[in-house]
Formats: sequence, structure tokens, C-alpha cells
Amino acid sequence: EVQLLESGGGLVQPGGSLRLSCAPSEFVLSNYEMNWVRQAPGKGLEWVSFISSSGRSTYVADSVKGRFTISRDNAKNSLYLQMNSLGVEDTAVYYCTRVGSMSGRGWSYYYMDVWGKGTTVTVSS
Amino acid sequence: QPVLTQSSSASASLGSSVKLTCTLSSRHSRYIVTWHQQQPGKAPRYLMRVEYNGIYHRGSGVPDRFSGSASGADRYLTISNLQSDDEADYYCETWDNNYWVFGGGTKLTV
Repeated sequence: EVQLLESGGGLVQPGGSLRLSCAPSEFVLSNYEMNWVRQAPGKGLEWVSFISSSGRSTYVADSVKGRFTISRDNAKNSLYLQMNSLGVEDTAVYYCTRVGSMSGRGWSYYYMDVWGKGTTVTVSS
Repeated sequence: QPVLTQSSSASASLGSSVKLTCTLSSRHSRYIVTWHQQQPGKAPRYLMRVEYNGIYHRGSGVPDRFSGSASGADRYLTISNLQSDDEADYYCETWDNNYWVFGGGTKLTV
């Protein structure tokens, strides 16, 4: 079964840093673009960051720009999210997701087709 | 960026059908929308994507009780023969120029 497994969550003080990891099973990470998505307690889903299959292109949501960095090591079959300057508003479950794609004449569309189980990040003093 | 609007809640009886709506902002009315299901205490799960012409593509393992359709800026998720484990939050999502947007989610009570 195609799966994703996140790790690295935990309790961190405001202003601190944390690095999340994500590893796939039953597929090769290097063949796919990937995302991080988060969900604050009792809230909806929020896209956080994207990375292309090669790692050359990355995009981040405005809410985390300048603080979070997405990266990948295809040789290690792993995806990462480095989170710095954490605030209480970053408290959430963080999911890594695989990105699927479809295209036609002059257009393309990307969607999330596999979700990890999530890892919880709590920012609190 | 597109905006996706969903009703906050819906309810239906066991064995019946329900149609959930996700409305795109008018400028983005032809966009593809993706539906995800999140059962209580679990991670989201990809259900399907729905194109502007109503063509939908279910994910692997998603029962055919789940179907999609479209009308104008609306993208629909219909669940037939409702089961108790269909009780969940349902989120729509779309992509635009390297940015993903989610709707606020609909909490379905069965």
C-alpha cells in the first residue's frame, strides 16, 4: 500500500526550531513533487509548502515565508520541512502529501493524491 | 488566488444520498477541484478530482458510491447509500500557479 510517514514533531518553545521528515513506502520519492500541509487544532487544512521532484523549485505559503524551508534528499528517499522562528500559531498537525498531475493542451493541474498520517507540532512555553 | 466556499455542515440518513457543494470564485469557475475526506481523528484521504465539465476521476480504492459532478462554478461530491463511516469532514482543494487552496470543509453527519 502506498503510504507516507512523517516524523520529527514535538513540543517546542516559541522562537524555537524543528525539522520534520517524511518517508514514503511503496513508491519512489524522486518521481514525485511533494507538499506539506498543516491543520491547526479544530481548524481546516492549510497548504504550507511545495517542492518539485528534483528539488530545484520550491514554493511556500505567505504565512510561513522566510521561516520554513522545504527540502528533499532523493538519495535517502526523504522529504523535510525545516521550521524556524516558531510561534504559537504554528501549532498544528503537519502532513506530507504526494502531488499528482494531469495536463492537456496548454494547461496542467496538480493535486494531492496521497496523505501521510501526520506529525504533531506544539509551540508553547 | 481562487477562493473555495463550502457549507460548514450537512446531514443525511443512513442509506440515503447527499450532495456536497464546493463553489469556486467566479474568475476561477473552470478550475479542477479535488475532494478529500477526513474521518474523525484520522488523516485526510484523497477521494477524487472533478473537472469543469463534470468528468471526475476517483482515487484508488474509493468506492463507486462516491461520485462527482459540476455546474458552472460549483463542483459537487455525491455520496450514495450513506454508511456510518462516511461521517467525516470533506474538503475541496484546487491549485493555481504553484499555490494550493482549500475550502473551509463540510462536516457531514450521518
